[in-house]
Amino acid sequence: AQRVTQPEKLLSVFKGAPVELKCNYSYSGSPELFWYVQYSRQRLQLLLRHISRESIKGFTADLNKGETSFHLKKPFAQEEDSAMYYCALLNSGYSTLTFGKGTMLLVSP
Amino acid sequence: EAQVTQNPRYLITVTGKKLTVTCSQNMNHEYMSWYRQDPGLGLRQIYYSMNVEVTDKGDVPEGYKVSRKEKRNFPLILESPSPNQTSLYFCASRGDSSYEQYFGPGTRLTVT
Repeated sequence: AQRVTQPEKLLSVFKGAPVELKCNYSYSGSPELFWYVQYSRQRLQLLLRHISRESIKGFTADLNKGETSFHLKKPFAQEEDSAMYYCALLNSGYSTLTFGKGTMLLVSP
Repeated sequence: EAQVTQNPRYLITVTGKKLTVTCSQNMNHEYMSWYRQDPGLGLRQIYYSMNVEVTDKGDVPEGYKVSRKEKRNFPLILESPSPNQTSLYFCASRGDSSYEQYFGPGTRLTVT
């Protein structure tokens, strides 16, 4: 069975500090991994997917198959980054997206 | 504008009174899903549909029903709601050639 683990419920940092939101996965096949973000009172939206290897809003995430991790990083946090972040894994049939429990990021001035 | 809409956005009801939450997308997407979001549990998939008349259970299907008679609509039905179904519900859709799921604005349901 596939599983996504986000070990931190809450991550609190000061503006300008580096941020790393952890995500580990368990999956027997080749994983398709994503980060979704949910700002206060808004719907979830896609932030990153590992295939594209993009940098969105200064965030990057690298898939490490050896460590089965897909951590989200940003070198300098901004207050507007405060949100709930979900790591998600798409199954091989592309039908089921399994989410982690989410990490709330709070960036203080 | 490409979007997923849900109605109602807020609903308070009583135990046992059947209700339906509608979901509609205007992007001609094949895949549609329902999730519930609970504090400390994240998002859990209730049901999904790969196309018209094709639906399957997700991780937490008990107490819910769905139907997919038209490509654009994917209603969630609670035949006999119970307080443990109090939650925030999200509908999502995805095109066949894309990995990105588009989420609706959410429906906050309270069952007393």
